[in-house]
Amino acid sequence: DTAVSQTPKYLVTQMGNDKSIKCEQNLGHDTMYWYKQDSKKFLKIMFSYNNKELIINETVPNRFSPKSPDKAHLNLHINSLELGDSAVYFCASSQMTGFEETQYFGPGTRLLVL
Amino acid sequence: QKEVEQDPGPLSVPEGAIVSLNCTYSNSAFQYFMWYRQYSRKGPELLMYTYSSGNKEDGRFTAQVDKSSKYISLFIRDSQPSDSATYLCAMLETGANNLFFGTGTRLTVIP
Repeated sequence: DTAVSQTPKYLVTQMGNDKSIKCEQNLGHDTMYWYKQDSKKFLKIMFSYNNKELIINETVPNRFSPKSPDKAHLNLHINSLELGDSAVYFCASSQMTGFEETQYFGPGTRLLVL
Repeated sequence: QKEVEQDPGPLSVPEGAIVSLNCTYSNSAFQYFMWYRQYSRKGPELLMYTYSSGNKEDGRFTAQVDKSSKYISLFIRDSQPSDSATYLCAMLETGANNLFFGTGTRLTVIP
């Protein structure tokens, strides 16, 4: 059973295109995230949603727009793709349990903009 | 200065060695400290989780947090080739959702 799944796993596209990445979690978690991992493996948070509401929106170009149709899904839409958008995008979900919170990551979507 | 600093390595050790991985941080509000392991072309996988200061042991892995020095460590005993991966530290403030990650240390355990 895949806890956090993302589609597609690979995405190759040209500059200027619009693309979407989908994320689904079957863990019943309340919070979902999008992270960007650059070529140096540095993971940076982009967005966080809790029960379909945006709670974290880091400094990200407004070409990136998250959409959460329900608690189990958080999709990422990217307009007017640029070369610098090439990276691996990870979705994650979490649930607070007492004082603990663990984040579970999806397998990542490798985006290459040509 | 980044919130979390981690030596990117790479780090190569022979099989059976003790590995020490470290991170420093600047935000004294961090209370939760995590170590993730990331195999090539995979998502980060949570390894260890510590709240506040102290040690936590799980099999061959020990996580240490020294809040006075703003320093955390992950020790791997009897390292195995299957431990070869990138190890990322991550930190969280109480009540916050924003995880701050280190850059990751790439570890290779040579048989």
